Amino acid sequence: QKEVEQNSGPLSVPEGAIASLNCTYSDRGSQSFFWYRQYSGKSPELIMSIYSNGDKEDGRFTAQLNKASQYVSLLIRDSQPSDSATYLCAVNNYPNTGGFKTIFGAGTRLFVKA
Amino acid sequence: DAGVIQSPRHEVTEMGQEVTLRCKPISGHDYLFWYRQTMMRGLELLIYFNNNVPIDDSGMPEDRFSAKMPNASFSTLKIQPSEPRDSAVYFCASNPGTTPEAFFGQGTRLTVV
Repeated sequence: QKEVEQNSGPLSVPEGAIASLNCTYSDRGSQSFFWYRQYSGKSPELIMSIYSNGDKEDGRFTAQLNKASQYVSLLIRDSQPSDSATYLCAVNNYPNTGGFKTIFGAGTRLFVKA
Repeated sequence: DAGVIQSPRHEVTEMGQEVTLRCKPISGHDYLFWYRQTMMRGLELLIYFNNNVPIDDSGMPEDRFSAKMPNASFSTLKIQPSEPRDSAVYFCASNPGTTPEAFFGQGTRLTVV
């Protein structure tokens, strides 16, 4: 079993719709959870981090965490063509010992159709 | 700050040759990571350093791969001898040690023919 699993997609949504991206992880010791966005040919960039159960909103992005179910999701409201990218889920067990070792999922490709 | 700087951006080499990838982390960052990204396996952590000391190299695929960090501002990832299956994008990332987010360089696209 992979440590961080994501549906590879592609996920295609029309402009203005809500895009829902999902991720599960295997290590129950994981404490910190991240969503990175990666445009084609570019490096990953952090867009959201979440550390406690529940929802965290930042602009059009909402991260959701359920540690009991070992599940993390990212919602993108009012999707724009510029949101088309690969979204990588990542986890580590910061602030515990060794917590800077970040493990990534393989990513979900998102296409937003104009 | 210029961010994490990697060189070269692209490398094409013949099978059996030695390849050296270079990374300059963000000044003041205590952690440095080397990742490899392929379509099949995604973004894999190869090794990471804390204060120039290797902490976890369990992701290094085999003995052909080695990494060093002689000082706080420079790290290398070496593949010797290289094989076609090593073709991938290699990313270096750094972290300040106060928050868990990683800051990535632009990557080195390696092609072994």
